Amino acid sequence: AQSVAQPEDQVNVAEGNPLTVKCTYSVSGNPYLFWYVQYPNRGLQFLLKYITGDNLVKGSYGFEAEFNKSQTSFHLKKPSALVSDSALYFCAVSPPNTGFQKLVFGTGTRLLVSP
Amino acid sequence: EAQVTQNPRYLITVTGKKLTVTCSQNMNHEYMSWYRQDPGLGLRQIYYSMNVEVTDKGDVPEGYKVSRKEKRNFPLILESPSPNQTSLYFCASSLRGGVQETQYFGPGTRLLVL
Repeated sequence: AQSVAQPEDQVNVAEGNPLTVKCTYSVSGNPYLFWYVQYPNRGLQFLLKYITGDNLVKGSYGFEAEFNKSQTSFHLKKPSALVSDSALYFCAVSPPNTGFQKLVFGTGTRLLVSP
Repeated sequence: EAQVTQNPRYLITVTGKKLTVTCSQNMNHEYMSWYRQDPGLGLRQIYYSMNVEVTDKGDVPEGYKVSRKEKRNFPLILESPSPNQTSLYFCASSLRGGVQETQYFGPGTRLLVL
């Protein structure tokens, strides 16, 4: 069965600094990997996904994620954080060839960007 | 405007009183899912549907039912709600999940079962 781990409950970063939100996964075969964001008192938004190809995936709001098969990681990154990036971030994985069908989410990482 | 709508947004009910949370999407998506979000547990999939009349269990289906009679609608039914079903519920829709595709979420339904 697939699983996702987000080892940090919270990440603190100063505005303008680079940010990384960590995610590791466990799945048989080649995974589909996803990042989602939940802004305060708002619904969930899809940020980006990795299916195949280039290990660096670009998504919405300037975010990108790097797939590392040897380390089974899919860390979310942004070169320069904004205060408005403060939110709850979820990593998710699905088995090969299932797309959005059977997602397993991590427990979430709260990102706090200070001015 | 592409959107997923859920109703009601907030609901307080009592144990055992049947309820339905509706979900509707206007994007002609085949795939729809229901998730629940609980503190410290992230999101967990309850049920999903790959098309009309095609549904399957997710990771936490106990106590829930779904139906997919029309492509746009995917209601979540709690036949006999219990306090452990107090949660924040999200409906989502998408195409299959190819490289250029996106998943859309509803605004959420906050349920309290007394």
